[in-house]
Amino acid sequence: DSGVTQTPKHLITATGQRVTLRCSPRSGDLSVYWYQQSLDQGLQFLIQYYNGEERAKGNILERFSAQQFPDLHSELNLSSLELGDSALYFCASSVEDSSVHTQYFGPGTRLTVL
Amino acid sequence: GQQVMQIPQYQHVQEGEDFTTYCNSSTTLSNIQWYKQRPGGHPVFLIQLVKSGEVKKQKRLTFQFGEAKKNSSLHITATQTTDVGTYFCAGPGYSGAGSYQLTFGKGTKLSVIP
Repeated sequence: DSGVTQTPKHLITATGQRVTLRCSPRSGDLSVYWYQQSLDQGLQFLIQYYNGEERAKGNILERFSAQQFPDLHSELNLSSLELGDSALYFCASSVEDSSVHTQYFGPGTRLTVL
Repeated sequence: GQQVMQIPQYQHVQEGEDFTTYCNSSTTLSNIQWYKQRPGGHPVFLIQLVKSGEVKKQKRLTFQFGEAKKNSSLHITATQTTDVGTYFCAGPGYSGAGSYQLTFGKGTKLSVIP
C-alpha cells in the first residue's frame, strides 16, 4: 500500500460525458502528479500540482483540467469524453517538487468510455 | 523535449533464465529511477541511481547507471515467476519554475514461463 488513494476504482461512462477522478496523496506529500496509461503504453504525464499550485503540464488535452485543494487532495476533470480517453489514470505523490524525490503511485482509476 | 527509450518492449524468458532491459535518454540525467508494475497493479518504485557509473544490487536485481548518465540497465539473474511485470525507467526533466517531472520509458514487459 503506497498510501496514495484514488477513487473511483472503475468508471464506465458514455462519449460526451464529464467525469471527475479523485486522488489523496500520502500524508505529508505536497506534490501530486497525474498520468494516463493506455493499453500497452507507457505512463504519459498529464499535469503536476505542488501545494495547491499548478507546476507543470505535460500532454494534457484542453478537455482535461485538474486542481489541488487546500487539504492537498487533487481532482482530475475529464470532459467531452471520447472513446480514445479510455485508459488507466494514475495519481502519484512525492514529498517535494524535486528531481531526486521518488513518486508513490495510487492504485489507479480505470476509465472506460463507451 | 526529453525522450526516454527502453528496449526491448517485450521479453519472454524461461524461469531461471536471466533478463536485461535497457534504458536510453536523449539528455544527460541527474538521476534515473526504476519502477515495476505488476499485471493489474500500479507502478512501484524500485531504486534510484544518481552517480555516474553507479551499480546497485537488490537481491537478484542489478541496476547500472552509465558513465555519461544517459543510459541505464536492469538485469535480473535467474528469473522467477514473481518477477513478472513491466519495468519502467524514468528520468527527471526540468519543466521550468523550479519544477521537475519524470519522463517514463514505455517499459519492458517481462513474462516468465514456469
